[in-house]
Amino acid sequence: AQTVTQSQPEMSVQEAETVTLSCTYDTSESDYYLFWYKQPPSRQMILVIRQEAYKQQNATENRFSVNFQKAAKSFSLKISDSQLGDAAMYFCAYRSVRFEIKAGNMLTFGGGTRLMVKP
Amino acid sequence: NAGVTQTPKFRILKIGQSMTLQCTQDMNHNYMYWYRQDPGMGLKLIYYSVGAGITDKGEVPNGYNVSRSTTEDFPLRLELAAPSQTSVYFCASTGNSYQPQHFGDGTRLSIL
Repeated sequence: AQTVTQSQPEMSVQEAETVTLSCTYDTSESDYYLFWYKQPPSRQMILVIRQEAYKQQNATENRFSVNFQKAAKSFSLKISDSQLGDAAMYFCAYRSVRFEIKAGNMLTFGGGTRLMVKP
Repeated sequence: NAGVTQTPKFRILKIGQSMTLQCTQDMNHNYMYWYRQDPGMGLKLIYYSVGAGITDKGEVPNGYNVSRSTTEDFPLRLELAAPSQTSVYFCASTGNSYQPQHFGDGTRLSIL
């Protein structure tokens, strides 16, 4: 079974600065997807960024980028030019792409990192 | 464009009561999921469905039941509510393994 670990329960960053959130995972599969979801106090789960394991290039979405190290099974999220609206819980998640896997493309989540942004 | 809609948003139950959490999606997605999120934790899969008439257990299915009679709807049933089921429940859906999951806004359930 896959596991996802986020070792930083809380992080803080000064507005306009850069912060990196860590995520490691354990899997025996070679092809999979990795995601970062943002959960603000409103409780919504908002997709931030997605990485396909077969792609060597790191995904970017505006101020958000990832550092995907497949051999190390590491998937960190970098937030540049942090804004007050970035304050939220951030969850790293793993998903297999094998259709024959019983779990039907379920997401396996890490425990989350609470990001605080200081003005 | 509604996406995934969950009702109710909040509910308080007494121990032993039963209730159904509703989830509907208007994106014609085959895959649907129910997760629970305990305070300060990530989401854990309760049940999932790969299409109408097909459901299966996730990581934490005990105390819950689901049905999938239509593509759109995937209700979650609690038969005998217990305090351990106090949590926030999320429904999600996706069209295939290449698409990200779309989440509803969650239902906060308290069992007292």
